[in-house]
Amino acid sequence: KQEVTQIPAALSVPEGENLVLNCSFTDSAIYNLQWFRQDPGKGLTSLLLIQSSQREQTSGRLNASLDKSSGRSTLYIAASQPGDSATYLCAVRPADSWGKLQFGAGTQVVVTP
Amino acid sequence: EADIYQTPRYLVIGTGKKITLECSQTMGHDKMYWYQQDPGMELHLIHYSYGVNSTEKGDLSSESTVSRIRTEHFPLTLESARPSHTSQYLCASSELRPGQGLEQFFGPGTRLTVL
Repeated sequence: KQEVTQIPAALSVPEGENLVLNCSFTDSAIYNLQWFRQDPGKGLTSLLLIQSSQREQTSGRLNASLDKSSGRSTLYIAASQPGDSATYLCAVRPADSWGKLQFGAGTQVVVTP
Repeated sequence: EADIYQTPRYLVIGTGKKITLECSQTMGHDKMYWYQQDPGMELHLIHYSYGVNSTEKGDLSSESTVSRIRTEHFPLTLESARPSHTSQYLCASSELRPGQGLEQFFGPGTRLTVL
């Protein structure tokens, strides 16, 4: 069964620093990987989607890399802002479960002014 | 970006009541999902549907039921609410992105409290 782990569980940085969030998964047979943001008590917002054949995706200050063979993805957020404070979730779509995502527990990020 | 609507956003109800949480999406997505999330905890898939008249149970056992009579509508029902059902319920749907596969989008959630 696919397991998704996110380290660290929580992270606090001063404004302006770059954020590095890690996601690892146990089975490299994935269809794609998706990064989400969740604000307290709210739904999830899709940030980036990486297909299994891709190495990275970029959107504004966000960059996500994927190393499928080693079972790792990293989300980089450049020049962090207080508005980036949220929980960030990584989810993989196993190749044998086309519709269903497997989520990590998330990394809670606090960016201090 | 998909538009997914959930109502109500907040619900406080007494034990034993029957409730239905509504979820609808306007993008014509075939695949829809219900997740349960306790505060500060992981998401757990409780139901999913790959199209009209198709529903399946998810990874986490749930006493709730779902129906999919129309593509855009995926309601979740609890026949007799209990305090153990207190949680946040998140609805989602997914869209096939050319060259990238399925991308999943979430609604704002319903926070349910059963007294």
